[in-house]
Amino acid sequence: DAGITQSPRHKVTETGTPVTLRCHQTENHRYMYWYRQDPGHGLRLIHYSYGVKDTDKGEVSDGYSVSRSKTEDFLLTLESATSSQTSVYFCAIAEIIGTDSNYGYTFGSGTRLTVV
Amino acid sequence: GQNIDQPTEMTATEGAIVQINCTYQTSGFNGLFWYQQHAGEAPTFLSYNVLDGLEEKGRFSSFLSRSKGYSYLLLKELQMKDSASYLCAPSGGSYIPTFGRGTSLIVHP
Repeated sequence: DAGITQSPRHKVTETGTPVTLRCHQTENHRYMYWYRQDPGHGLRLIHYSYGVKDTDKGEVSDGYSVSRSKTEDFLLTLESATSSQTSVYFCAIAEIIGTDSNYGYTFGSGTRLTVV
Repeated sequence: GQNIDQPTEMTATEGAIVQINCTYQTSGFNGLFWYQQHAGEAPTFLSYNVLDGLEEKGRFSSFLSRSKGYSYLLLKELQMKDSASYLCAPSGGSYIPTFGRGTSLIVHP
């Protein structure tokens, strides 16, 4: 169990307001990721982090920023939310999974964000 | 960039076998993941193939052909609980997987 928790689980916000989503992990994993999932698009990478204060952009980073001031927390911020950012947001970490010692990605439970 | 093609939807009967195909094009290749996602839930890891061939894990198996840019997920002895979306995710030069749109599998009695 990667011990990933996302907060909040659900949020409704108004267009133009700032929103911060939090991803918290308890097992000192180095790599953390933010994805969004929309019908017809699948999971798309927003930003990722490879260590404290080390982050990089994914394929859909416009309108989003991230911060990682501590190993355990990876924050995703929508500076000024728009209706196109209504989505389900998943945080993930990279870890060894299963009995074959392969690495894989474990996802948090997701945050359902609605921008009205 | 990466292109991933998998069927949008498949249906099968409980107890049967189903094969979900995935073709991909990546800039570099470092392995291919399959994930299962039930409606309203997070994706969960099923398999990871790095080398060509078949990896078997109980009722689920995954096959990879790197030269053909092709993978499939084989599900045997289907159960109702296998109704879910199955995501193919090749990992390219960045080591970060890109997820396909998923195949929605419906298992009926």
